Amino acid sequence: EDQVTQSPEALRLQEGESSSLNCSYTVSGLRGLFWYRQDPGKGPEFLFTLYSAGEEKEKERLKATLTKKESFLHITAPKPEDSATYLCAVQAVYSGYALNFGKGTSLLVTP
Amino acid sequence: DAGITQSPRHKVTETGTPVTLRCHQTENHRYMYWYRQDPGHGLRLIHYSYGVKDTDKGEVSDGYSVSRSKTEDFLLTLESATSSQTSVYFCAISESGGRGLYEQYFGPGTRLTVT
Repeated sequence: EDQVTQSPEALRLQEGESSSLNCSYTVSGLRGLFWYRQDPGKGPEFLFTLYSAGEEKEKERLKATLTKKESFLHITAPKPEDSATYLCAVQAVYSGYALNFGKGTSLLVTP
Repeated sequence: DAGITQSPRHKVTETGTPVTLRCHQTENHRYMYWYRQDPGHGLRLIHYSYGVKDTDKGEVSDGYSVSRSKTEDFLLTLESATSSQTSVYFCAISESGGRGLYEQYFGPGTRLTVT
């Protein structure tokens, strides 16, 4: 059975304090791994797709990386506007394009 | 903006009543999905559609049905609402991101409360 585990559940950072969020996954045949950002009361917002181990994607202060067992979302010099819940999801080759989501990491960046 | 709207955005209903949620897209995408999001569970797939009149079950489909008679509309029906179906419901659409992957884009959500 596919499993996606995100850690930590919650993270509090000072503005400018870099850190990483973890997404560990177990899936029989990974088609892709996705990162989303979700603000309170809103739908998830697509950030990145990673296809294969070793791949990296960047967007502003965010950088996502992928290994065969986990993905990291690195946040460099975060700002208060980066506060949100970050969701990781995997898509398996047999899933009919459905996504299996982790429970998310709630990030709070304080000034 | 992925061109997805959901209606209603908020609804309160009583146990045992039928409820229909609507998802409308303007992008003509083939794939559409319904998820529910609950504290401690994350997002879970209810049903999805891969074309007009083509639908399939997801992880938590019991008590739900769907219909898609037009490309742009995907309806989720709770046949007889129960308190366990109190949740936030999200619709998503997907398009090919290359390499056979379909990145999903989400609507704003519907908050449903069953009393």
